[in-house]
Amino acid sequence: EVLLVETGGGLIQPGGSLRVSCAVSGVTVTSNSMSWVRQAPGKGLEWVSLIFSGGNTYYADSVKGRFTISRDNSKNTLYLQMNSLRAEDTAVYYCASGEILDYWGQGTLVTVSS
Amino acid sequence: QSVLTQPPSASGTPGQRVTISCSGSSSNIGGNTVNWYQQLPGMAPKLLIYSNTLRPSGVPDRFSGSKSGTSASLAISGLQSEAEADYYCATWDDSLNGWVFGGGTKLTVL
Repeated sequence: EVLLVETGGGLIQPGGSLRVSCAVSGVTVTSNSMSWVRQAPGKGLEWVSLIFSGGNTYYADSVKGRFTISRDNSKNTLYLQMNSLRAEDTAVYYCASGEILDYWGQGTLVTVSS
Repeated sequence: QSVLTQPPSASGTPGQRVTISCSGSSSNIGGNTVNWYQQLPGMAPKLLIYSNTLRPSGVPDRFSGSKSGTSASLAISGLQSEAEADYYCATWDDSLNGWVFGGGTKLTVL
């Protein structure tokens, strides 16, 4: 069974930094592409970032230069380092596995507010 | 403004068949396969249809997908109250080098 569990969300001031994590079981983060998708309160889904099994990374224009996706093979965990946070980054952040986003975690809420 | 266009709402009565459309362009739907996700209230999204027409194990055959050119559709037949949810289409965009989602369609069972 594939299980993804996100942690690390919370309240952060504008301009601050936060790292959210996604602990994965049932698949390995290095053999699958892994993505981050976010959902602002009451809004739709927005893709944020992707890391392919080979290590190539891609970002949405809205976060390029501020967010960094990475993975730790030994912990089988996916990360999203978020810097220079803005109010519009407030959202539930989901990790999703696979090239068809077939498994999703339950999400972690990031609130950017002073 | 989402790259893929979906109607914001849809509705039907129990037993009815409803369809949800998803419109894109040659850089996304026109050149890649489409997935559909179901998001029940307060829950994470769940894969419903992948590769335009395929259902993951456990998804009832009341759900079906299709694609033609730069548009795709999700059909739900034998509508049941538990189908009340938000539905999103998604695909890869070759110009943006990323996933793109529709704005979501809220399905109401009357």
